[in-house]
Amino acid sequence: EIVMTQSPATLSVSPGERATLSCRASQSVSSNLAWYQQKPGQAPRLLIYGASTRATGIPARFSGSGSGTEFTLTISSLQSEDFAVYYCQQYNNWPQRTFGGGTMVEIK
Amino acid sequence: EVQLVQSGAEVKKPGESLKISCQGSGYSFTTYWIGWVRQMPGKGLEWMGIIYPGDSDTRYSPSFQGQVTISADKSINTAYLQWSSLKASDTAMYYCARHSLLGYCSSTSCYSAFDTWGQGTMVTVSS
Repeated sequence: EIVMTQSPATLSVSPGERATLSCRASQSVSSNLAWYQQKPGQAPRLLIYGASTRATGIPARFSGSGSGTEFTLTISSLQSEDFAVYYCQQYNNWPQRTFGGGTMVEIK
Repeated sequence: EVQLVQSGAEVKKPGESLKISCQGSGYSFTTYWIGWVRQMPGKGLEWMGIIYPGDSDTRYSPSFQGQVTISADKSINTAYLQWSSLKASDTAMYYCARHSLLGYCSSTSCYSAFDTWGQGTMVTVSS
């Protein structure tokens, strides 16, 4: 089973600052990696797929990078609506799709 | 508009059975893999399994194999998640989600993200 590890668990950032979230896979997942955003009381929302492609309607301040085992989600200038929990998910290892434990981005 | 609409919240006793649903609309239900995801209170997302409604090919996470049953009725565009005997530890929010076709997906495998999610069904199991 591929284990996905996200760091840090909590990230405190001021509005307007840059946030960098990490996700590491226990073995290579190629570029088959997605990022989701979840706000309290809401279902997750797809942000990034294929490690670096923004989903429809996702603002350009969200960007993804990486391949193999190391991935990064960057939010270039945090807006108030971006404070949420972010999850990575691998979908390379059929049929298993594994989520990371999540990173909470909170207001500093 | 592509939508997944899940059934309402449930409150059950330990040992009871339960079947929750996820109805798709706005797309060809039979040609997209549908997954189920558990979120226990205050915790992260856990992938449970997926089904291809076209032929009901179903795959499970090892953690959930034998604990739940995933099924689908393509005639009414609905996927299901069911338990035969609930435990208190099944208390959680359950989401269904559709695999995107932005990747590689066929009737036998799928390498893509979840692009559409249901609103979630809260299941509470308590004596």
